[in-house]
Amino acid sequence: AQRVTQPEKLLSVFKGAPVELKCNYSYSGSPELFWYVQYSRQRLQLLLRHISRESIKGFTADLNKGETSFHLKKPFAQEEDSAMYYCALLSGGSYIPTFGRGTSLIVHP
Amino acid sequence: NAGVTQTPKFQVLKTGQSMTLQCAQDMNHEYMSWYRQDPGMGLRLIHYSVGAGITDQGEVPNGYNVSRSTTEDFPLRLLSAAPSQTSVYFCASSSKRTSGGYNEQFFGPGTRLTVL
Repeated sequence: AQRVTQPEKLLSVFKGAPVELKCNYSYSGSPELFWYVQYSRQRLQLLLRHISRESIKGFTADLNKGETSFHLKKPFAQEEDSAMYYCALLSGGSYIPTFGRGTSLIVHP
Repeated sequence: NAGVTQTPKFQVLKTGQSMTLQCAQDMNHEYMSWYRQDPGMGLRLIHYSVGAGITDQGEVPNGYNVSRSTTEDFPLRLLSAAPSQTSVYFCASSSKRTSGGYNEQFFGPGTRLTVL
C-alpha cells in the first residue's frame, strides 16, 4: 500500500530563514509526487509537481528515489508563505492521490 | 469557468439529522472525490468516482453515501449526522491521466460542518 508521511505537524521559522518541509513516501513503483498548498481559509491548490521540475514562488522539490523523499525547500521564507502544505502521491494504477497529514508553516516577521 | 463549486459553505446539524453536501464542476473532469480535513489528520478520502455511475469507497466512508448520475455533480450524503462528522469537507475533481503523467486535483472552497 502507498503511504505519504509528513513528520512535522508544525514548522515555525523567521522571515528570511531557509525552509524545508519533509515528505517521505512508501511505494514500490514509480510515483508521481505533488505539493499542494492551502492559505488561510482558502481552497487547496497545486504548488508544484515533480515531473515539471519547476520552481514556484521560490519553492523547489526534488524527488529522491533512493531515500523515497520529496522534500519542499525554499532558501528564504516570506511571511506570505505561511500556510498548510500537503504532500501527495499518485501511484501508477491510481485515479486519486494519497495525501499526507500536512505541515503547517508559520513564518514570523 | 467556475471550476469546482460546493454548497453550502457552512452548516450546523443536530445529531441524527441528514443532509447532502453539493459539489459540481464544469471542467468535464472524469474523476471526482470527497475529502474531510481534520486538525492533525490532514486530508482523508471519503469516497471517489471515476465516472458517471461509478463510485468507490476511500479511507473513511462510514456514515456517508455518494452517487454520480452526471459528470458534473457528485453529492455527499450524511445519513445520520454524528458529532464525529464535524469537519471541513472538500470536493475535488481531476481529468483522466494522459500518457505524459499527472492529473492535478482542483479543489472546491470547502463546507464547514458542525454536528451538535
